[in-house]
Amino acid sequence: RKEVEQDPGPFNVPEGATVAFNCTYSNSASQSFFWYRQDCRKEPKLLMSVYSSGNEDGRFTAQLNRASQYISLLIRDSKLSDSATYLCVVKGGSYIPTFGRGTSLIVHP
Amino acid sequence: EAGVTQSPTHLIKTRGQQATLRCSPISGHTSVYWYQQALGLGLQFLLWYDEGEERNRGNFPPRFSGRQFPNYSSELNVNALELEDSALYLCASSSPGLVYEQYFGPGTRLTVT
Repeated sequence: RKEVEQDPGPFNVPEGATVAFNCTYSNSASQSFFWYRQDCRKEPKLLMSVYSSGNEDGRFTAQLNRASQYISLLIRDSKLSDSATYLCVVKGGSYIPTFGRGTSLIVHP
Repeated sequence: EAGVTQSPTHLIKTRGQQATLRCSPISGHTSVYWYQQALGLGLQFLLWYDEGEERNRGNFPPRFSGRQFPNYSSELNVNALELEDSALYLCASSSPGLVYEQYFGPGTRLTVT
């Protein structure tokens, strides 16, 4: 089993839709979790951290399920500009991050 | 505030040569991470430098090496280049105490022919 797994997609949704991605991780000792966004041929950018209690930033909601070892990202009211690849990142105690391969989102008019 | 910068933007080398890639972190950041992103693959962790020392390295051969300078900028060296080293090399920096939040540079695209 890979350390961090994501459905590569693409998720193809219309503007205004709600879409959710999951990311599973294998190391139960993982301590920190993040979502990054990467536009085509650009560098990844931190989207949000994922806290145990879940957190929300505008249209974006991130949640952590330690029992089932996955994190999720929910995007409400999708915009065309949300089209990108969303990378899940998991860090253990060694401070070394493990990136998922990403989930591609395409928002169409 | 200036972001992470990397140079060169593109680099073309032939097999067997050496490549040197450079990274300047955000002012105040002391940690620098290097990643390789090959086409169709995820980011693979290469090296982590903090306060001038190598803290950890990923599962890459010793011909991948680097260093961090007193001003916290960093250099990645790849010796004896192989065709499969062709990839986007990304550098990220983070501030002391916030090593979990990384800010990436635009990357150096290395092509080995």
